[in-house]
Amino acid sequence: DQQVKQNSPSLSVQEGRISILNCDYTNSMFDYFLWYKKYPAEGPTFLISISSIKDKNEDGRFTVFLNKSAKHLSLHIVPSQPGDSAVYFCAASVSNTGNQFYFGTGTSLTVIP
Amino acid sequence: KAGVTQTPRYLIKTRGQQVTLSCSPISGHRSVSWYQQTPGQGLQFLFEYFSETQRNKGNFPGRFSGRQFSNSRSEMNVSTLELGDSALYLCASSFGQTQGSYEQYFGPGTRLTVT
Repeated sequence: DQQVKQNSPSLSVQEGRISILNCDYTNSMFDYFLWYKKYPAEGPTFLISISSIKDKNEDGRFTVFLNKSAKHLSLHIVPSQPGDSAVYFCAASVSNTGNQFYFGTGTSLTVIP
Repeated sequence: KAGVTQTPRYLIKTRGQQVTLSCSPISGHRSVSWYQQTPGQGLQFLFEYFSETQRNKGNFPGRFSGRQFSNSRSEMNVSTLELGDSALYLCASSFGQTQGSYEQYFGPGTRLTVT
């Protein structure tokens, strides 16, 4: 049972425009969320996190939005750069149980120069 | 600060054999988690170790086991290998506390091929 879903397997965006990657979850107990970027043959690289006490968190070009009522989060990348082309994963956990994270299946982002 | 290291990076084993993978976390990190990544299933949580104790366990058979040492280094073992165990095994380390979730930092992974 996939508790974290990324329904768009791929996304293409022009350089300089906004990339929006979406993630939905089913478990209402999830209260801590992470986004990762992954290049082929490498481990995932941590990008940004958000706790359920917030609805937005920013770090440079990356912003994550959390809508708890809809059980939905999104990652915005502005402006998109060709180096952002990678697979992006969202992950969720129930924070009082420790670091057991449930991952989505990923969205492959291509930024076109 | 050095990142998470995993050894070996690549491994080829035969069905029925067993394998041990190693992970050295970032200095100061006390939590180590293991994940299996396959093309069809994405990243699946195997288990988490915190202060030498298994704190969380995913839905994998008992052939998959692990341990953590006093220096936070961790090993995972897979016994009686099956073809379906072919995957990228990723280790992630985290600051960790008795409670709470923290951002995890991944190693490069060990690519296991079972023939």
